[in-house]
Amino acid sequence: GIQVEQSPPDLILQEGANSTLRCNFSDSVNNLQWFHQNPWGQLINLFYIPSGTKQNGRLSATTVATERYSLLYISSSQTTDSGVYFCAVQMDSSYKLIFGSGTRLLVRP
Amino acid sequence: EPEVTQTPSHQVTQMGQEVILRCVPISNHLYFYWYRQILGQKVEFLVSFYNNEISEKSEIFDDQFSVERPDGSNFTLKIRSTKLEDSAMYFCASSNPLRQVSNEKLFFGSGTQLSVL
Repeated sequence: GIQVEQSPPDLILQEGANSTLRCNFSDSVNNLQWFHQNPWGQLINLFYIPSGTKQNGRLSATTVATERYSLLYISSSQTTDSGVYFCAVQMDSSYKLIFGSGTRLLVRP
Repeated sequence: EPEVTQTPSHQVTQMGQEVILRCVPISNHLYFYWYRQILGQKVEFLVSFYNNEISEKSEIFDDQFSVERPDGSNFTLKIRSTKLEDSAMYFCASSNPLRQVSNEKLFFGSGTQLSVL
């Protein structure tokens, strides 16, 4: 089956720093989403981004489908950005999202 | 903003007991899902449901599991005889894709933490 790999697995930032999270996937996909799981366990949908670039405030994401990767940029990080960031993909003819193992982010004040 | 709601937030049960986890998807959504996350691990797909039937299920979703949409608003996951390894956070999700086979943007509930003792 398709493999979804995220890097880095863990990341510690000082408040105000910028970061880039990466998601590589091993096969063609028709759907890619980024989620933030906050310390209370809630999964918040950040982006639906099967291709191209989107921005939402301090966050932006880029997916290059032909090269099978996606990047999530966090600028001017805040302590509330802490949590786990998951990339999830879906293949054609399937209903399921396949999640990566996540990047655990800790932003220190 | 509309949201997916799940009840209860925590459920403790004895091994072998039946549990029902409840979800109210976003009202105009057409596709419903259950996912689970064992502590510290990745989120795993269990089942998708569309037009009152299962559209896809994973190998985890064996005969002990069932889903139902008993009315126009609720979506339930039943585990018939719980095992210790069923302990996990169970997430309900919904979407309203334009194409027949596409999640597009998926919205998750806050989850039910199931503990099997």
